[in-house]
Amino acid sequence: NAGVTQTPKFRILKIGQSMTLQCAQDMNHNYMYWYRQDPGMGLKLIYYSVGAGITDKGEVPNGYNVSRSTTEDFPLRLELAAPSQTSVYFCASSLQGGSNQPQHFGDGTRLSIL
Amino acid sequence: EDKVVQSPLSLVVHEGDTVTLNCSYEVTNFRSLLWYKQEKKAPTFLFMLTSSGIEKKSGRLSSILDKKELSSILNITATQTGDSAIYLCAASQGGSEKLVFGKGTKLTVNP
Repeated sequence: NAGVTQTPKFRILKIGQSMTLQCAQDMNHNYMYWYRQDPGMGLKLIYYSVGAGITDKGEVPNGYNVSRSTTEDFPLRLELAAPSQTSVYFCASSLQGGSNQPQHFGDGTRLSIL
Repeated sequence: EDKVVQSPLSLVVHEGDTVTLNCSYEVTNFRSLLWYKQEKKAPTFLFMLTSSGIEKKSGRLSSILDKKELSSILNITATQTGDSAIYLCAASQGGSEKLVFGKGTKLTVNP
């Protein structure tokens, strides 16, 4: 069981560069989420999706974009990387939303913007 | 503002000790309280609590929710070095996909 797979595991970007963080799940979950975790802080929700073709903003969406063309994939795009986006990014999925079921997390992508 | 506060932020114990981790919450339209264990990578799910006063158990770990006090505790008995991790508490809200996370408690269990 692969669960939630994130790539890459690590990345260093220069200010102003763009990149896409990949997330795929093989559990046929409808709900998918992107979080960022800054050192010593809790996870903050960036964007989420309740199904293919539907996305919505979380707490901290500025500077990010997402798309959900399939049930399995939920990529996160940074268009103009800024040092404030240095963080660990986690993708998660759940079968149902509204926290009726727990979210399953990927191993994270550690991103540094220099 | 919705918030979840965990205490202590850090805890060092010896193998065999029993620990209690605390989580208090102030969120609008509270629905459930979740506990996750985060070792080096992904947070892994431990418990989801929706009803007050009902203890959930999994091996040496147990947790209970007190809706009157807006809090939850996570107990770990007979701790082992493998329990060393950051324990995250999160509150969910009705009508929202957002989980409000606390900063976590870093537990270190020394042999």
